[in-house]
Amino acid sequence: DGGITQSPKYLFRKEGQNVTLSCEQNLNHDAMYWYRQDPGQGLRLIYYSQIVNDFQKGDIAEGYSVSREKKESFPLTVTSAQKNPTAFYLCASSIGSVNEQFFGPGTRLTVL
Amino acid sequence: EDQVTQSPEALRLQEGESSSLNCSYTVSGLRGLFWYRQDPGKGPEFLFTLYSAGEEKEKERLKATLTKKESFLHITAPKPEDSATYLCAVQDTGGFKTIFGAGTRLFVKA
Repeated sequence: DGGITQSPKYLFRKEGQNVTLSCEQNLNHDAMYWYRQDPGQGLRLIYYSQIVNDFQKGDIAEGYSVSREKKESFPLTVTSAQKNPTAFYLCASSIGSVNEQFFGPGTRLTVL
Repeated sequence: EDQVTQSPEALRLQEGESSSLNCSYTVSGLRGLFWYRQDPGKGPEFLFTLYSAGEEKEKERLKATLTKKESFLHITAPKPEDSATYLCAVQDTGGFKTIFGAGTRLFVKA
């Protein structure tokens, strides 16, 4: 079955630690995205990538980093510089940058 | 600046009671408007894409319509399993970002 997988489903982090969230897709999509979702707010774009080895900052990139070494994979690192990282993180992909996006199941990150 | 506003924030219906959800948007040029369904603790599930005013799309009890300023998601004879948050999003012709609204939480009681 084609789809997007995210791991882990739940992640707990101590203050001052970096953590990496995994996102893998087997849909052969060129574009991939990372969003953050907080209660009562719309999805906010962190980073996006239109092709391998290229990515751009979204609206709230501070404290986050990404890489796109393979078409299938787009990991997100939440660094200690992110002041309020507790949130639900969603990865998405689309055939191209102007098409509908398909989402993974999400990772809930909690900072202890 | 591109903006998406969804109303109401929450909607409670009895099973079988039809209603509509609203999505108002502001963009310089509309490339596409998207509707998603999101269940608690899960990722959004794609429902529809609309491209131009007057366009309509249907899927089971859901029907999405589009005007130049807003979109409606009509729910006909809803069932409890239709309970979810419905998200609206737009993409501007001037860029590649998709702007999401905050969503409408729908509760359908049996």
